[in-house]
Amino acid sequence: QITLKESGPTLVRPTQTLTLTCTFSGFSLSTNGVAVGWIRQPPGKALEWLALIYWDDDKRYSPSLKSRLTITEDTSKNQVVLTMTNMDPVDTATYYCAHSSRSGGYNTPYYVDYWGQGTLVTVSS
Amino acid sequence: DIVMTQTPLSLSVTPGQPASISCKSSQSLLHTDGKTFLYWYLQKPGQPPQLLIYEVSNRFSGVPDRFSGSGSGTYFTLKISRVEAEDVGVYYCMQSIQLPWTFGQGTKVEIK
Repeated sequence: QITLKESGPTLVRPTQTLTLTCTFSGFSLSTNGVAVGWIRQPPGKALEWLALIYWDDDKRYSPSLKSRLTITEDTSKNQVVLTMTNMDPVDTATYYCAHSSRSGGYNTPYYVDYWGQGTLVTVSS
Repeated sequence: DIVMTQTPLSLSVTPGQPASISCKSSQSLLHTDGKTFLYWYLQKPGQPPQLLIYEVSNRFSGVPDRFSGSGSGTYFTLKISRVEAEDVGVYYCMQSIQLPWTFGQGTKVEIK
């Protein structure tokens, strides 16, 4: 059974750096064809993909946020960490981590099949 | 970025009646491997999204067969054959053929 759980601060001040941790179980990020991603959702708004880390430690970021994001993994702890610098009130959102896999071989795109419960982060002074 | 456009943005349905949601992509979602990377998610109130349909028409594990997906290229449809009370929430389409993954604006389904 695949589960993911996000943890981190609920309140962040403007200009601060946000650090979120995704702790997962039921799979290994070392397994070929597995990835973990981060997706956010501002209150009442749609979903926005942020970052993805693959089983081989390859990493991808949203072009619009790339300069502010870093995604890393701690395979021994079954954790993925997302940091976002220079936080602004517009970054207020529920942040989800998600398990991602692919249905084919090496060049097959990944997709999200399991989501964490999400964590609401408010950016306010 | 690929733009995903859903219609309608809201839907009010009588229980037992069908419902249909459309999703249009700004580029083809057909991959060179022959698969089409279009997904449907349902976000029930207060919950994270859950995968309903992958690669246009495949129901994910545990998804009732009243949900079906169809389409090709740039135009896709999610159908609920007989809406039940537990189907309320916001439905999103998503493409993963190209990064950044992008989502539709969401379609809110409520029960009359």
